[in-house]
Amino acid sequence: DAGITQSPRHKVTETGTPVTLRCHQTENHRYMYWYRQDPGHGLRLIHYSYGVKDTDKGEVSDGYSVSRSKTEDFLLTLESATSSQTSVYFCAISKLRDRVHTEGHGYTFGSGTRLTVV
Amino acid sequence: GIQVEQSPPDLILQEGANSTLRCNFSDSVNNLQWFHQNPWGQLINLFYIPSGTKQNGRLSATTVATERYSLLYISSSQTTDSGVYFCAVVFSGGYNKLIFGAGTRLAVHP
Repeated sequence: DAGITQSPRHKVTETGTPVTLRCHQTENHRYMYWYRQDPGHGLRLIHYSYGVKDTDKGEVSDGYSVSRSKTEDFLLTLESATSSQTSVYFCAISKLRDRVHTEGHGYTFGSGTRLTVV
Repeated sequence: GIQVEQSPPDLILQEGANSTLRCNFSDSVNNLQWFHQNPWGQLINLFYIPSGTKQNGRLSATTVATERYSLLYISSSQTTDSGVYFCAVVFSGGYNKLIFGAGTRLAVHP
């Protein structure tokens, strides 16, 4: 559905190491998002992108950076991983046209990346 | 502040029962979606419903935008309906940022 793939699917890393998660889409959508999911919080927005090299912060952006050098790829980087960043990370795309959601143009999510920081 | 509140937080049903899940939101919205997260963690898009009523099989949803709430109805529940149901909205002026509620965790027992 919507050709979204996340990699890796699972990762265990040590505190203080850098980590990069990748989201790849095949349908040339303009808007892409990174969320994290933690028990009791639902999904919370980390960063989003509205075009190549156009990104902005979400509600929980501290400790994360993103890059989008190509339409199809949106990278999330933890510069120095901490245990509080242990979470499941979801990428999403929005089938939005001209800032208007029309019928059928909602959000679609990838399968998630489970990251454990030890 | 901007809020999306879901109720109940947890729900246990016997197979065949009906249920209603509620989502309240604090401001006008451009987009509202209901998602089901299955036990394997996949997020499945159920409805795109910023207003009005839609039905898909045993599931239906109604959003009353003027009163800032949405309802998800599950009829004749099955064990495969188990999981977490999320309501998520894009607030008007929210620059296409989808904001999630905390979810309703549903367990359907045979």
